[in-house]
Amino acid sequence: EAQVTQNPRYLITVTGKKLTVTCSQNMNHEYMSWYRQDPGLGLRQIYYSMNVEVTDKGDVPEGYKVSRKEKRNFPLILESPSPNQTSLYFCASSFLGQGQETQYFGPGTRLLVL
Amino acid sequence: QKEVEQDPGPLSVPEGAIVSLNCTYSNSAFQYFMWYRQYSRKGPELLMYTYSSGNKEDGRFTAQVDKSSKYISLFIRDSQPSDSATYLCAMTPPQGGSEKLVFGKGMKLTVNP
Repeated sequence: EAQVTQNPRYLITVTGKKLTVTCSQNMNHEYMSWYRQDPGLGLRQIYYSMNVEVTDKGDVPEGYKVSRKEKRNFPLILESPSPNQTSLYFCASSFLGQGQETQYFGPGTRLLVL
Repeated sequence: QKEVEQDPGPLSVPEGAIVSLNCTYSNSAFQYFMWYRQYSRKGPELLMYTYSSGNKEDGRFTAQVDKSSKYISLFIRDSQPSDSATYLCAMTPPQGGSEKLVFGKGMKLTVNP
């Protein structure tokens, strides 16, 4: 079964305490992305990756880091979380080719930074 | 002006109605256009994908792109209560592929039995 998994699903933390949200896909997709979703603002891209060791900033990268050491994994790192990073986070992986697009989103990680 | 505009609704229709969801955009170079469905407390799922102008049909769903008017639509025929969800449009800017999407804010649809 095609799947994007994220962990943890829910997280409450305090300002400044480093955290990592993991993302893994089992479809051998080259493209992976991180988004945050906020009421009234919709989905905004944080970072994306086109392949192993190739990453680039999205629309709202400040305060976030990513790495892509393996094709299947794309963790999101918050080095020093702040309350304005309280949000719902989604990881996605996709394939574009042969006139078809497939894209899968993970189930989301709800983060609260106190 | 935002790159992608989508009326957030909410929209409530009776079962069996034809639903029309729309987005407008400002960047004439957008090439790929997508529609996503997002159920409450779930991640978005890709519903329809079209390249450039024209229509694409998949069952009860039809996606339409009018690049001359910078306007895209999603039509749902014979709507069902299971179609109740938030629908998001998305498109790619000229320098990006599927990895760099710009989303509308989403419209919440409720189909009443």
